[in-house]
Amino acid sequence: DTGVSQDPRHKITKRGQNVTFRCDPISEHNRLYWYRQTLGQGPEFLTYFQNEAQLEKSRLLSDRFSAERPKGSFSTLEIQRTEQGDSAMYLCASSRDGANTGELFFGEGSRLTVL
Amino acid sequence: DQQVKQNSPSLSVQEGRISILNCDYTNSMFDYFLWYKKYPAEGPTFLISISSIKDKNEDGRFTVFLNKSAKHLSLHIVPSQPGDSAVYFCAASAYPFNKFYFGSGTKLNVKP
Repeated sequence: DTGVSQDPRHKITKRGQNVTFRCDPISEHNRLYWYRQTLGQGPEFLTYFQNEAQLEKSRLLSDRFSAERPKGSFSTLEIQRTEQGDSAMYLCASSRDGANTGELFFGEGSRLTVL
Repeated sequence: DQQVKQNSPSLSVQEGRISILNCDYTNSMFDYFLWYKKYPAEGPTFLISISSIKDKNEDGRFTVFLNKSAKHLSLHIVPSQPGDSAVYFCAASAYPFNKFYFGSGTKLNVKP
């Protein structure tokens, strides 16, 4: 399977704990995006990497959120001191520069439940 | 800041008929528009796109129309099939496409 993979698919945690999600993009894709989706809403932009550089970050992203993409391959999204409002589906997507830049390939998402 | 809006949360059509999904945007800097389809428990999948230099793009049963003056785009599915039942999201971006804005989605139900 050469699609975007995310891990874990589901995470249940208690308020105040830290969680980390991993995304493995399609291997030749240099662009990587993180989105968050809550029930009844569309995906909401969190951050964007071009190769290993984080070029865009949402103003909505508090300092409890941090993302990395070492070596321009896989990416991690960490949420520290989780709150109940962080409960959502976290989606990773990748694409590559060129004529089809906007064709984002999404993973199946990591669902976070904060108790 | 809801820069992309889909005002119809749901749409129901009969198999074989046309489905028309609508989307409005507010940012005149957007120059690239896309539609994604999402089934339950899956991530969104790309369906069709259009750049601002065009007003129509067609791919099989799917056609996207762009009206820049009205800041409006629509997706036409003809003929609609039961397998088209899904949530459809429109999205928009501006070069260099570092960020894509998504609407809240329209749930399409195609009845056999």
